[in-house]
Amino acid sequence: EAQVTQNPRYLITVTGKKLTVTCSQNMNHEYMSWYRQDPGLGLRQIYYSMNVEVTDKGDVPEGYKVSRKEKRNFPLILESPSPNQTSLYFCASSPRQAPDEQYFGPGTRLTVT
Amino acid sequence: SQQGEEDPQALSIQEGENATMNCSYKTSINNLQWYRQNSGRGLVHLILIRSNEREKHSGRLRVTLDTSKKSSSLLITASRAADTASYFCATETNTGNQFYFGTGTSLTVIP
Repeated sequence: EAQVTQNPRYLITVTGKKLTVTCSQNMNHEYMSWYRQDPGLGLRQIYYSMNVEVTDKGDVPEGYKVSRKEKRNFPLILESPSPNQTSLYFCASSPRQAPDEQYFGPGTRLTVT
Repeated sequence: SQQGEEDPQALSIQEGENATMNCSYKTSINNLQWYRQNSGRGLVHLILIRSNEREKHSGRLRVTLDTSKKSSSLLITASRAADTASYFCATETNTGNQFYFGTGTSLTVIP
């Protein structure tokens, strides 16, 4: 089944404790992206990647890191999480062919205390 | 912020009625997409309209795009209870590969 998977789905952590949220897609997509969703703010793009070893900042990259060592994986790293990073996070991928629809993962709900 | 806005924020209609939601954006775009999200779940792509298109149809969905006004509308005809969800527009800028999502419209269809 073609899909985007994220792990973990739920995570509660404490301020300053490094964490990684994994994202994997099995569709051989070129483009991958991370978003955060907060009430009243919709989705905001954190980072995106056009291809292996190519990553770019989105609208709200502060406090986050990403890497794209393999085409299928695009982990999101929070080196020192803070409470304002409590949010619902989505990974998405796109084939970058017409139409350029994005396929979303199920989401990771992160709480930082 | 480059983020777009949707209007209305919430919409409640009876089953069988049409639902219209609007999206305004700020930058020049390659395309505009509409997504649906059921409560707390991942977004699902509905329809894409390119910047050189003015109207597009897909099943019960009709999308219009007015690039001079930087706005789009999504019409869902003959709504069903299963259409209850949040709907988001997303724009891909023509200066790069970034996406900007609107704040969403929460649609409730009453059986």
